[in-house]
Amino acid sequence: QSALTQPASVSGSPGQSITISCTGTSSDVGGYTYVSWYQQHPGKAPKLMIYDVTNRPSGISHRFSGSKSGNTASLTISGLQADDEADYYCSSFASSNTLVFGGGTKVSV
Amino acid sequence: QLQLQESGPGLLKPSETLSLTCSVSGGSINSWSHYWGWIRQPPGKGLQWIGSVYYSGSTFYNPSLKSRVTTSVDTSKNQFSLKLSSVTAADTAVYYCLRAITPWQPTDSWGQGTLVTVSS
Repeated sequence: QSALTQPASVSGSPGQSITISCTGTSSDVGGYTYVSWYQQHPGKAPKLMIYDVTNRPSGISHRFSGSKSGNTASLTISGLQADDEADYYCSSFASSNTLVFGGGTKVSV
Repeated sequence: QLQLQESGPGLLKPSETLSLTCSVSGGSINSWSHYWGWIRQPPGKGLQWIGSVYYSGSTFYNPSLKSRVTTSVDTSKNQFSLKLSSVTAADTAVYYCLRAITPWQPTDSWGQGTLVTVSS
């Protein structure tokens, strides 16, 4: 069982917006700003999409945005495209001095 | 551009020690501004942080694996390594090496991953 809770799947039509939630506790998501999101296509390494809750690495589309409220972080993908179909994972620093992940969300377009 | 490449045996027997090396090119591992880490992913499952190491040798481990994990750096070869002792089938996974800003903040620089299977 993963430390952070994500929905197993989310789907949307091309052009639509979807939001993936990542729920933890005050000891991880709620207590720190070290929340990241990763995109993973089959057979590929995870790709960092969002770091420190809201920041995008260089080269990541503005269609991807992150936010946090209380113990829940969220990733929003706007203008959904076929290539966005992938697994998405959230992660957070935790007070036990470890990095915890969500169980992953399969996005279908 | 920074590139990372994992290498090591792909098949181990239960109770053996897993040993992987990550070779770094396009940048120096001897960097005060980065840490070097390992994350694994069992087939069909999610991600698990294993640990991180600083160029000075300081280490940070997942408490659930700490008793079996050792990470180290070899600045002369621009490599860092992972050892996981007493492996079982539950350690079967794709192992990724990566660069991090802090021990718990991976960057966008990851290796392609290497599958390690534990089977008798």
